[in-house]
Amino acid sequence: GESVGLHLPTLSVQEGDNSIINCAYSNSASDYFIWYKQESGKGPQFIIDIRSNMDKRQGQRVTVLLNKTVKHLSLQIAATQPGDSAVYFCAENFNTGFQKLVFGTGTRLLVSP
Amino acid sequence: EPEVTQTPSHQVTQMGQEVILRCVPISNHLYFYWYRQILGQKVEFLVSFYNNEISEKSEIFDDQFSVERPDGSNFTLKIRSTKLEDSAMYFCAGTGVQETQYFGPGTRLLVL
Repeated sequence: GESVGLHLPTLSVQEGDNSIINCAYSNSASDYFIWYKQESGKGPQFIIDIRSNMDKRQGQRVTVLLNKTVKHLSLQIAATQPGDSAVYFCAENFNTGFQKLVFGTGTRLLVSP
Repeated sequence: EPEVTQTPSHQVTQMGQEVILRCVPISNHLYFYWYRQILGQKVEFLVSFYNNEISEKSEIFDDQFSVERPDGSNFTLKIRSTKLEDSAMYFCAGTGVQETQYFGPGTRLLVL
């Protein structure tokens, strides 16, 4: 895969567990945040996003939490499945108007059956 | 569901050669981007493109790089004289009126 993961933090969970992936973002002025999933050999796939005027947003099996005070973003995946195994990136937008995204370093999620 | 497509999926080239990476964005998208990802590293912004001109570019996007949308459909990234350190996955992305950027599957470029 594109993220070999030699230096990636890794989260290993059992199928059915809930997973929490964390991200510290860099710019307090960022107003838009996205979580992407990247499977081996593929491009980033949109999971969920959140604007800075919210602190929580839920999707199907996923929840994103935003703590602007400490510049922290988390992705919660409920009832994790083997198909959720991938590298997860958070990305932030510096509000340039043209959506330049700055990506975090990524976390590898390994789900065991 | 419409998807961003990229060609080729893999490209091997000799150092100093020119390469053109192609992308077909989703048809109603208005803003276009190129990113790259060196093996084992995070995704890095290269350039954004709107209304047929560059709107922002990163430090990586030097004079060796150029982008164009020649026919209103394809969006290309050209590297004029490739270097070894240009070896990476290159991703095209686009947005419409919504903010979400949708990425293509990428082109793996290997410079020898």
